[in-house]
Amino acid sequence: EVQLLESGGGLVQPGGSLRLSCVASGFTFSNNGMSWVRQAPGKGLEWVSVISTSGGIIYYADSVKGRFTISRDNSKNTLYLQMNSLRAEDTAIYYCAKKPQGGWFDAWGQGTLVTVSS
Amino acid sequence: EIVMTQSPATLSVSPGERATLSCRASQSVSTYLAWYQQKPGQAPRLLIYGASTRATGVPARFSGSGSGTEFTLTISSLQSDDFAVYYCQQYNNWPRTFGQGTKVEI
Repeated sequence: EVQLLESGGGLVQPGGSLRLSCVASGFTFSNNGMSWVRQAPGKGLEWVSVISTSGGIIYYADSVKGRFTISRDNSKNTLYLQMNSLRAEDTAIYYCAKKPQGGWFDAWGQGTLVTVSS
Repeated sequence: EIVMTQSPATLSVSPGERATLSCRASQSVSTYLAWYQQKPGQAPRLLIYGASTRATGVPARFSGSGSGTEFTLTISSLQSDDFAVYYCQQYNNWPRTFGQGTKVEI
């Protein structure tokens, strides 16, 4: 069974940093692209970033470019999202999602809540 | 950026009825379109990819159609478990974009 378990969320002040982690199991992590998708409270889904199987191809949403960094450690089956210069509008549940060869997301974690507030 | 627009925002349906949800793209995405279901407090679940291919384990009452800029998700006979919010997502261009969602309620 595919499982994605996010952690690292919490309350942080504006301008602060957090690192999210997503531990994967139940599939060959190194064979799949991975993404982060977020959802502000009561709002819809917003794609944040994607990383290819080896980490050589990375894309970001304009809203986080230059502030967030996605990475992965295939030896640990773990996806990361380093978030710097956090803003109130980054407040959201952050989901990690498995991306097969296509561009859709076929498995999602339960999410971790990031709250940016003073 | 491709803007995805879903309609209606809310769809009121009775169990056993047919539900038709629409998704429009601001430019062609070919058939690079997926549909997700999200229930309160849960993560999204993939229903459809490639505009019309059901994901593993998705009941046959869910079907997708369309290409280019107009897409439809049809639930042939609504069951109580189907009341949720549904999102479309395009993966033809970067950034990937989602529609704002359609809430299917009783």
